[in-house]
Amino acid sequence: NAGVMQNPRHLVRRRGQEARLRCSPVKGHSHVYWYRQLPEEGLKFMVYLQKENIIDESGMPKERFSAEFPKEGPSILRIQQVVRGDSAAYFCASSKRDRSNEKLFFGSGTQLSVL
Amino acid sequence: DQQVKQNSPSLSVQEGRISILNCDYTNSMFDYFLWYKKYPAEGPTFLISISSIKDKNEDGRFTVFLNKSAKHLSLHIVPSQPGDSAVYFCAASALGNQFYFGTGTSLTVIP
Repeated sequence: NAGVMQNPRHLVRRRGQEARLRCSPVKGHSHVYWYRQLPEEGLKFMVYLQKENIIDESGMPKERFSAEFPKEGPSILRIQQVVRGDSAAYFCASSKRDRSNEKLFFGSGTQLSVL
Repeated sequence: DQQVKQNSPSLSVQEGRISILNCDYTNSMFDYFLWYKKYPAEGPTFLISISSIKDKNEDGRFTVFLNKSAKHLSLHIVPSQPGDSAVYFCAASALGNQFYFGTGTSLTVIP
């Protein structure tokens, strides 16, 4: 009964490269959330997705960042042309979002380091 | 625009005593609240939740209190144990919407 799986665990990129972060939700969960944690800060909401739909992307930077959650396969958070300020821990969470089970289950995160 | 606030970045408590972590929110539409615990280099893990129809929920050593009129919730841990040392996040949601997290409180339980 696997939890939320994120990979890679650590990702190192040079400025200008692309970063792709993957998230496989808990089996049966159709809602995925991405959060970013900068050093010494809390969890900042980025985007909320259901299968094939973006529900809320109000926390996503307008440029270079995109997210998807296809019908088949993991959710992907893509950061194009990374800059040093993108270095952070990126956490994915999933949920059923029904009244009996509102809580989020988190993955272990991807630590992105931009050189 | 921080809708969920944890104004104490850190808290130190002696082992065996009570730890009280506080959280305030601004959005009156929030109807579900959660507390998470996070160790370094790990993802947050769920601790306890409370619906807005209740004012208290208890699970073992953990109790969450909700004061809707004050838009305030608190997490009580009693007795505190060294293994409770971690960062604690509160989160809030209105059904169907995203979860907003506070900035966290780092709890240190001193043996």
